[in-house]
This record gives sequence, structure tokens and C-alpha cells, in this order.
Amino acid sequence: DAMVIQNPRYQVTQFGKPVTLSCSQTLNHNVMYWYQQKSSQAPKLLFHYYDKDFNNEADTPDNFQSRRPNTSFCFLDIRSPGLGDAAMYLCATAIAGEVRQETQYFGPGTRLLVL
Amino acid sequence: AQSVAQPEDQVNVAEGNPLTVKCTYSVSGNPYLFWYVQYPNRGLQFLLKYITGDNLVKGSYGFEAEFNKSQTSFHLKKPSALVSDSALYFCAVRPNTGGFKTIFGAGTRLFVKA
Repeated sequence: DAMVIQNPRYQVTQFGKPVTLSCSQTLNHNVMYWYQQKSSQAPKLLFHYYDKDFNNEADTPDNFQSRRPNTSFCFLDIRSPGLGDAAMYLCATAIAGEVRQETQYFGPGTRLLVL
Repeated sequence: AQSVAQPEDQVNVAEGNPLTVKCTYSVSGNPYLFWYVQYPNRGLQFLLKYITGDNLVKGSYGFEAEFNKSQTSFHLKKPSALVSDSALYFCAVRPNTGGFKTIFGAGTRLFVKA
């Protein structure tokens, strides 16, 4: 089945130790998003890719970086995690350019714990 | 500023009763409107959307939503609630002004009691 996959589902890291979260999709969607969600709050958009074009939200800390080596994969790198970065990280995909396909398809999320 | 409001943090309803989860928005133009549901420790799942056309939109699991342009509202409804509907519901708005950003409401937790 076509889907959005996130690995790992749970990640524990130490304060200041870099961590990478992975997202892959079999939907062949050209837009990929990364959201941060804390304590059942609204997902907060960190950045998105439209094909290879990277779009950073103005309030996304520099500590957060992303890579999209190809259509299927997108990575979230947290260079020096702080305690405040503990959250659920959600990856989502969508098709741009087709009005009827504005729906976002979310992965199951990666829950990050910073010790 | 563009925003989405879900005025109720929590909605409680008895199984078999109708439910409504409210959403209003402040976005210029004719935005796209969505409802997503989130179960514990899971990603968001798409329920339904309004792009254009009939103001009453039907979606997954028996849910529907009514778009009201004059009130800028998009309330989620279901005629008969199930215990399994208990989850966190997010209203989302995508401004139709270019770009790819979707604005999410703060979420409403629905509890359906048996």
C-alpha cells in the first residue's frame, strides 16, 4: 500500500547530541512537510519541500535542518537538541498543482525524547 | 493575521447522540478547508475537505461538515457518535493565495461515552 513511513517511531537522544529523523513515501508526491507537535497541540510547520525547493518557516530555529535527496525521502536533522525539542515530529506529503489533491497524507510520527 | 479557531478544547457526547465539533476561520479569499483526526501516538488522518461546490461535505467514518461562508465556519458533524470516534480533531485551512502552508486549529478532544 502506498504510504508515508517514518523511522524510527521513537527516538531517545542526549542533550546536544545530533539526531536525524527519516521520512519516506511511496505516493510520489512532490511536496513534503515536517511538523513539530507538542502535547496534543496543533502541528507547527517547520519547513517544506516543493520538489527540490526548500521553504523554511520564519520561526523555525536554525537548529533544525532538512534534506531531500530524492522524491521519496526527506530527513529532519536536529543539530543540537535541547530539552524543549522533545516532541512528536510529523512528516506529511501532498501533490501540488492539482486542486483536488490538496490533502496532506501524514506519517505515524516520530516521538523524540531528549535526556 | 490568518487564524483558525476551535473554541472547545473538549467535547463530551454519549454514544448514539449527534456530535458537533466547531471550527471558524479568519482567512482572506476562498480557502480550502479540512478536518483531520488524530488517535493517540499516531499521525493525522484526513477526514474530509471542502474545496468548492455543495456546502455539505461528506467524509470518512460517517462524518460530514458544513461550510458556511457568511459565518466563516466549517463545523464537523456526525449523526450518531461511536465510542471509537474518541480522538483529537483538527480543523485546518489552506489559504488559496499560493504557497503550501496549512493553518491548523488548536484541536478539539472528543470523548464519546458508552
